[in-house]
Amino acid sequence: TQLLEQSPQFLSIQEGENLTVYCNSSSVFSSLQWYRQEPGEGPVLLVTVVTGGEVKKLKRLTFQFGDARKDSSLHITAAQPGDTGLYLCAGVIGGFKTIFGAGTRLFVKA
Amino acid sequence: NAGVTQTPKFRVLKTGQSMTLLCAQDMNHEYMYWYRQDPGMGLRLIHYSVGEGTTAKGEVPDGYNVSRLKKQNFLLGLESAAPSQTSVYFCASSRAGEQFFGPGTRLTVL
Repeated sequence: TQLLEQSPQFLSIQEGENLTVYCNSSSVFSSLQWYRQEPGEGPVLLVTVVTGGEVKKLKRLTFQFGDARKDSSLHITAAQPGDTGLYLCAGVIGGFKTIFGAGTRLFVKA
Repeated sequence: NAGVTQTPKFRVLKTGQSMTLLCAQDMNHEYMYWYRQDPGMGLRLIHYSVGEGTTAKGEVPDGYNVSRLKKQNFLLGLESAAPSQTSVYFCASSRAGEQFFGPGTRLTVL
């Protein structure tokens, strides 16, 4: 069974703080994705990382794929209330099948 | 261009009743998926389809059946609902890589 473990499960921080969310597995994935989900809606893709060691930036969000393609991290700089939501990492297998982590629920207080 | 739509949005069933959840996509995607999302457990794959007329079991298929008679539609059936099937159900579609999710169906089984 392939598992993706995310930490922390819950994070409550003040506006302007930095944070990092981790996603770890014992399995190697062909790529790894990060989704964000808001209450009452389906997840929306933020980024896909494919190459070991790859770093991608999306405004204040920085995503990194581990060298061995088993783990990933999401770093948010100067968090804002609009960043509040559930962040899900997902490992892609065989190009189309996806295993999701349990998610990190982020709350940013103004 | 509606993306992925799901009907119904909410449903309450009694134990033993049956129902069908409908998912429709207008993006001409080959792959479609049904997930359930429960607190603290992320998204778990129930069944998926790699093309019209095909279906395959995911991580938690017991108690569910699916059909993909048309490329744009993916139906999820519960033949005899149980309280353990109380959950939020998400449908998604993809060509390869990014998955596009519907808004979800909140199902309660009493």
